[in-house]
Amino acid sequence: GQQLNQSPQSMFIQEGEDVSMNCTSSSIFNTWLWYKQDPGEGPVLLIALYKAGELTSNGRLTAQFGITRKDSFLNISASIPSDVGIYFCAGPYGGATNKLIFGTGTLLAVQP
Amino acid sequence: GAVVSQHPSRVICKSGTSVKIECRSLDFQATTMFWYRQFPKQSLMLMATSNEGSKATYEQGVEKDKFLINHASLTLSTLTVTSAHPEDSSFYICSARGDSSRETQYFGPGTRLLVL
Repeated sequence: GQQLNQSPQSMFIQEGEDVSMNCTSSSIFNTWLWYKQDPGEGPVLLIALYKAGELTSNGRLTAQFGITRKDSFLNISASIPSDVGIYFCAGPYGGATNKLIFGTGTLLAVQP
Repeated sequence: GAVVSQHPSRVICKSGTSVKIECRSLDFQATTMFWYRQFPKQSLMLMATSNEGSKATYEQGVEKDKFLINHASLTLSTLTVTSAHPEDSSFYICSARGDSSRETQYFGPGTRLLVL
């Protein structure tokens, strides 16, 4: 079945550092979504990508839709303590129902 | 806009009892709602897709008779965990989507279920 693998699995960084994480798939996706989940909460959409090669920013976050359509990258610049959480990539499948498959997640810890 | 609520936020129940979780879209009409389960330190796994006015579609390996889903209106879907057992303890999250096939899913805050 489809799988979305994220790397790294976890990151422990100092405040102010830049962060980069990626998501790879065994199959092609036409949309890539990046979510952040705080402990005990539901995921919140950060960035949506709809076109291969697309580079989209949301504040300090930048995400790219890989040209092969099998991967995506998320970068966070100048990290701050509130960036702590789990970052998930997700892609729709299942045709018109647009169900989402979530990646394995990247845990980010930021040391003040 | 696009707020989704869940109730209760957490519930503890005895083994063998049933638990109902509500998912509401507060400021939009959701033709489709999704139910996910998340075990500790794991990703979200889709359990079922709930369409207003029709039967839910369950993912492979999810027992439809154990996890009853009702989507009676455009703003409310319920998940009932019947005859709950300790292994059903998990974080249950719903999401809701409007009409457009491209429209994003908006997630609720989740419900923590602990079965003793």
